[in-house]
Amino acid sequence: KAGVTQTPRYLIKTRGQQVTLSCSPISGHRSVSWYQQTPGQGLQFLFEYFSETQRNKGNFPGRFSGRQFSNSRSEMNVSTLELGDSALYLCASSLEQGWDTEAFFGQGTRLTVV
Amino acid sequence: QQQVKQSPQSLIVQKGGISIINCAYENTAFDYFPWYQQFPGKGPALLIAIRPDVSEKKEGRFTISFNKSAKQFSLHIMDSQPGDSATYFCAASMSGGSNYKLTFGKGTLLTVNP
Repeated sequence: KAGVTQTPRYLIKTRGQQVTLSCSPISGHRSVSWYQQTPGQGLQFLFEYFSETQRNKGNFPGRFSGRQFSNSRSEMNVSTLELGDSALYLCASSLEQGWDTEAFFGQGTRLTVV
Repeated sequence: QQQVKQSPQSLIVQKGGISIINCAYENTAFDYFPWYQQFPGKGPALLIAIRPDVSEKKEGRFTISFNKSAKQFSLHIMDSQPGDSATYFCAASMSGGSNYKLTFGKGTLLTVNP
């Protein structure tokens, strides 16, 4: 069974540019969440999508957005990149079978903003 | 506002020893407490999880102890092995909303010396 796939694995962008990251969840999983991981702030929740609808959003500026497609694949977009956006962006997928269902994480996309 | 506080930041243990990592939470609405293990270059992976209706849960060498009145929970790794060297994150979430909004501690870097 394939795991959560995130592409690309590494990305270097310039301040002011925008970037799109992709996440393919485990087959059958309908919930996809995104997290930002940095050495200073740790793992912080960005947003969660289920059946193409955003159900939850973390405390991030509007420059961070996402969407989910009918096949459950998800993308997140960051516009007007800032140096502080450099981080590991992690995607997690889950079955919708109760509140304690395990979240499976991908390996992440390492974004560097220069 | 850090809702889940984790300590220590780093821990060095000899092979065969016991590793103990502690977490404290503030939000009494949290009712699901997972621990994640992350190796370099990988996404976090669920290790073990507990709900507040039990005080302890054991899976192999890993045990979670939970103290609801103190709003604290801890991970104990018995007979620690060099292969356990990784970063460990405690997390918490609440039912009623989306479980996939995990609030993480800032992580503990565990090094097990051979």
